[in-house]
Amino acid sequence: GAVVSQHPSWVICKSGTSVKIECRSLDFQATTMFWYRQFPKQSLMLMATSNEGSKATYEQGVEKDKFLINHASLTLSTLTVTSAHPEDSSFYICSAPRTGLQPQHFGDGTRLSIL
Amino acid sequence: DAKTTQPPSMDCAEGRAANLPCNHSTISGNEYVYWYRQIHSQGPQYIIHGLKNNETNEMASLIITEDRKSSTLILPHATLRDTAVYYCIATYSGGSNYKLTFGKGTLLTVNP
Repeated sequence: GAVVSQHPSWVICKSGTSVKIECRSLDFQATTMFWYRQFPKQSLMLMATSNEGSKATYEQGVEKDKFLINHASLTLSTLTVTSAHPEDSSFYICSAPRTGLQPQHFGDGTRLSIL
Repeated sequence: DAKTTQPPSMDCAEGRAANLPCNHSTISGNEYVYWYRQIHSQGPQYIIHGLKNNETNEMASLIITEDRKSSTLILPHATLRDTAVYYCIATYSGGSNYKLTFGKGTLLTVNP
């Protein structure tokens, strides 16, 4: 079964709205989670690293004031797209690693459409 | 992460083995080779990983050359549900707390 849950799976909203996406690790604690964005027919691009108890680390070119990340607990990270515009429409995916050599587990993604 | 190179697309007949190559000629000694796949409109799914030795699990086999400069993912009996984009990633720390860099991957199409 799924070990990382992402919610909502899709959302449609008007331009200017803020949208929150949740990423939960279901049966393990994750001090680090990753957020990716994927445009149609392109590969996943890492946006930011979410760290429990500290500030997120953003990749170059990603606006931290637009994409707010909060790692509220050891099992929950949220990504808020503030004042979303049509160009923010994309597929957002989170991942959470277990410890050691275990692979990362990915959520099923959130399809965001801004009208 | 070491750069990886994969063919953009491959076709395979249903029931036959699918062999997906990956070149990682600049891989470092402590970098693992990970394979993930992404079925359309879903998050990536872990398949298998390895360091030096060949590996096998219930999904696939991973063959790593002795010089570790390339590897092959083998799906022994491909089904239509194996149609997906397959990503080969070379990364430190076993892909655990280390961020993954996705290339363009290989679109595998399994045909009936």
